[in-house]
Amino acid sequence: QVQLVESGGGVVQPGGSLRLSCAASGFTFSSYGMHWVRQAPGKGLEWVAFIRYDGSNKYYADSVKGRFTISRDNSKNTLYLQMNSLRAEDTAVYYCAKVLDEWNCGGDCYSDYWGQGTLVTVSS
Amino acid sequence: DIQLTQSPSFLSASVGDRVTITCRASQGISSYLAWYQQKPGKAPKLLIYAASTLQSGVPSRFSGSGSGTEFTLTISSLQPEDFATYYCQQLNSYPFTFGPGTKVDIK
Repeated sequence: QVQLVESGGGVVQPGGSLRLSCAASGFTFSSYGMHWVRQAPGKGLEWVAFIRYDGSNKYYADSVKGRFTISRDNSKNTLYLQMNSLRAEDTAVYYCAKVLDEWNCGGDCYSDYWGQGTLVTVSS
Repeated sequence: DIQLTQSPSFLSASVGDRVTITCRASQGISSYLAWYQQKPGKAPKLLIYAASTLQSGVPSRFSGSGSGTEFTLTISSLQPEDFATYYCQQLNSYPFTFGPGTKVDIK
């Protein structure tokens, strides 16, 4: 069965850095695009970033562009989110999510499986 | 960026009620829209994709329709396990924005 397990969350000071990981199992990780989505406490969902199945293309929300980097290691079945220059408004639960269809998705990068999330708190 | 609005933002309903939630896009997104259900403390769950395709394992009381800029999610007969928050998401163009959510509560 598909499993996505996020880790790496915690408390960090403003301006600091953190790297989140998402360990994938139960499917051929290297065949699927992946998303990061976050949710601030008591707020709605915010899409953060997407990476194609082979890592060839990456896309970001304007709110994190230039500060966050999505990457993947298909040999380790792991997705990453490197977060730099963190701000209080980055405080959220961060979810990784698998895309429904294999290979390239264009307009149909729907998320069919999600991890349980990892909490990032940016505070001094 | 494409903005999504949802209405209502909150609705109170009873078990057995027919419920309809609307999602409107600031520009045309063809049928590249998904609906998710989220319960407190849990990850979102995909219900509908491509505006009207029911995700595997999702009960048939859920249905979606629409294209272009206006979409609806309908629950034909609300069940106790359906009380949750529902989000739409457009995947027509980056960034892949979500709507603000509709909370469905027990009347």
